[in-house]
Amino acid sequence: DAKTTQPTSMDCAEGRAANLPCNHSTISGNEYVYWYRQIHSQGPQYIIHGLKNNETNEMASLIITEDRKSSTLILPHATLRDTAVYYCIVRVKSNAGKSTFGDGTTLTVKP
Amino acid sequence: NAGVTQTPKFQVLKTGQSMTLQCAQDMNHEYMSWYRQDPGMGLRLIHYSVGAGITDQGEVPNGYNVSRSTTEDFPLRLLSAAPSQTSVYFCASRVGQAGNSPLHFGNGTRLTVT
Repeated sequence: DAKTTQPTSMDCAEGRAANLPCNHSTISGNEYVYWYRQIHSQGPQYIIHGLKNNETNEMASLIITEDRKSSTLILPHATLRDTAVYYCIVRVKSNAGKSTFGDGTTLTVKP
Repeated sequence: NAGVTQTPKFQVLKTGQSMTLQCAQDMNHEYMSWYRQDPGMGLRLIHYSVGAGITDQGEVPNGYNVSRSTTEDFPLRLLSAAPSQTSVYFCASRVGQAGNSPLHFGNGTRLTVT
């Protein structure tokens, strides 16, 4: 599975959009981009995933570049409860596709 | 649905002791996996299973055994606990055949080995 690179930490003002980047320059055509977040020491929570097209759900939007080498997770109106570690993962679409987690980005939403 | 249930929530072991961390899911997921998370670090894959009777190693399998006799359960065994195994352990599951389904995580077992 391709590796990902994320900034170690980011800050965001409450109510503003949080844009979290992820580099996955070695991604292959059958690998999906997934985003999870982990609040305190709870189990990670799924946010969104995509293959080629941009995706949106009730939690966030995912923007994938045309060459698929990078992506951005957007939290449109960040709240204090969005403070968490955010993980970007790429995974092969298969039954045995493994999810390898890096160290993620610590997002701090400030009042 | 309870989702993914891990027991116990906390455990303290002495070096050399053995124990089993339990993981059960009620979503009929084919794929299950175990991760460990050391303080300030990301998650590292220990073992995973794509279905009953099938298991495989992840990034850090040494010192751990798994088996998958049913779809619902995926226990993780520590054979002889060492202080280096002090960590938080997470179990996760997902639909297997779809291939692009997300992982569902349990709330973790916090293990301390003294």
